[in-house]
Amino acid sequence: GAVVSQHPSRVICKSGTSVKIECRSLDFQATTMFWYRQFPKQSLMLMATSNEGSKATYEQGVEKDKFLINHASLTLSTLTVTSAHPEDSSFYICSARTRVGNEKLFFGSGTQLSVL
Amino acid sequence: QKEVEQNSGPLSVPEGAIASLNCTYSDRVSQSFFWYRQYSGKSPELIMSIYSNGDKEDGRFTAQLNKASQYVSLLIRDSQPSDSATYLCAVSKNTGNQFYFGTGTSLTVIP
Repeated sequence: GAVVSQHPSRVICKSGTSVKIECRSLDFQATTMFWYRQFPKQSLMLMATSNEGSKATYEQGVEKDKFLINHASLTLSTLTVTSAHPEDSSFYICSARTRVGNEKLFFGSGTQLSVL
Repeated sequence: QKEVEQNSGPLSVPEGAIASLNCTYSDRVSQSFFWYRQYSGKSPELIMSIYSNGDKEDGRFTAQLNKASQYVSLLIRDSQPSDSATYLCAVSKNTGNQFYFGTGTSLTVIP
């Protein structure tokens, strides 16, 4: 299947710092990427939908100024957690949609963020 | 009403048995259907996709889609302990840009 690369896989940072997470579709062009967060033993929670060349669409309750999303090309979307706090500690996962043939959605490997 | 509903389980089956996972969806315009497997601490992995009524088989996995009844199921034959995971059902529609996920069914295969 198609590959979505997500980096870093794990990051530990101090409170108040910013963290950038990258999501790349390696072998297909993704016009749409999605960002999720997931707490232990809980469901995926959609944070935002990222369309190439346009502003991201954020879900209700997700602060767009805190979670900055940039989808600058058809293969790269980034999520920056600004001024991170301990409550932002979570598992962040990106996914990318391919519409070559029948559509599919592939996930990156996720980023475990721990804010001290 | 939730877009996608799954029984959260947990579902336990003995090794070698058939595991049956079910999912219903609310919107008839849904057009693409997916099953993902998620191990604890890992991201979801696509294991099956299905787009038309009927059965689709891939190795030990069979996805079944019934659009009239608005359900999609996943059968795992000859279940192995390594199949123990949470299985997520997802659908997308022919309108909009969203994928809708169920809350997942936890499966445990007992050796």
